Amino acid sequence: QKEVEQNSGPLSVPEGAIASLNCTYSDRGSQSFFWYRQYSGKSPELIMSIYSNGDKEDGRFTAQLNKASQYVSLLIRDSQPSDSATYLCAVIYIKAAGNKLTFGGGTRVLVKP
Amino acid sequence: KAGVTQTPRYLIKTRGQQVTLSCSPISGHRSVSWYQQTPGQGLQFLFEYFSETQRNKGNFPGRFSGRQFSNSRSEMNVSTLELGDSALYLCASSPLIRDTQYFGPGTRLTVL
Repeated sequence: QKEVEQNSGPLSVPEGAIASLNCTYSDRGSQSFFWYRQYSGKSPELIMSIYSNGDKEDGRFTAQLNKASQYVSLLIRDSQPSDSATYLCAVIYIKAAGNKLTFGGGTRVLVKP
Repeated sequence: KAGVTQTPRYLIKTRGQQVTLSCSPISGHRSVSWYQQTPGQGLQFLFEYFSETQRNKGNFPGRFSGRQFSNSRSEMNVSTLELGDSALYLCASSPLIRDTQYFGPGTRLTVL
């Protein structure tokens, strides 16, 4: 079983709609959760971090964490064509020494005008 | 603040050669992590340094090594290059342990 799982997509959404991305993780001892956006040929860019259960909003982005169900999600409101990218979920496990980020495979999002 | 910088941005090497990649973290950041990204395996953790000490290592062969200097700059070295080492090598820095990591632009290595 993969440690961090994401649907590879592509997730196709019309411009202005809400894109909903999900990520599940296998280790209940996970501590820190991150969403990164990666455009083709570029490096990952941090969107948001979340550490406790509930919702966290930043602009058009909302991250939701549910540790009991072991999932973290990302909502993108009013999706724009510039949001077309691969979205990576990453987790730091509390058992891991240091800062090892474990990444999911990424979900490719296509926003159609 | 300036972001994470990596040099060189692109490299072409042949099998059997060795390569050294460099990473300068964001000013004040003491932790530097390295990742390899390939289409088939995705993003995989290589190793992490904090205050010049390797704190964590991923499942890569001993041909992959790294170090961190007193100014937090880090280098990684790959010896005896193989075709499968062709990848985007990413460096990320963070101020503390278990803190948010910020990625550099990466070094794209092609092994012929």
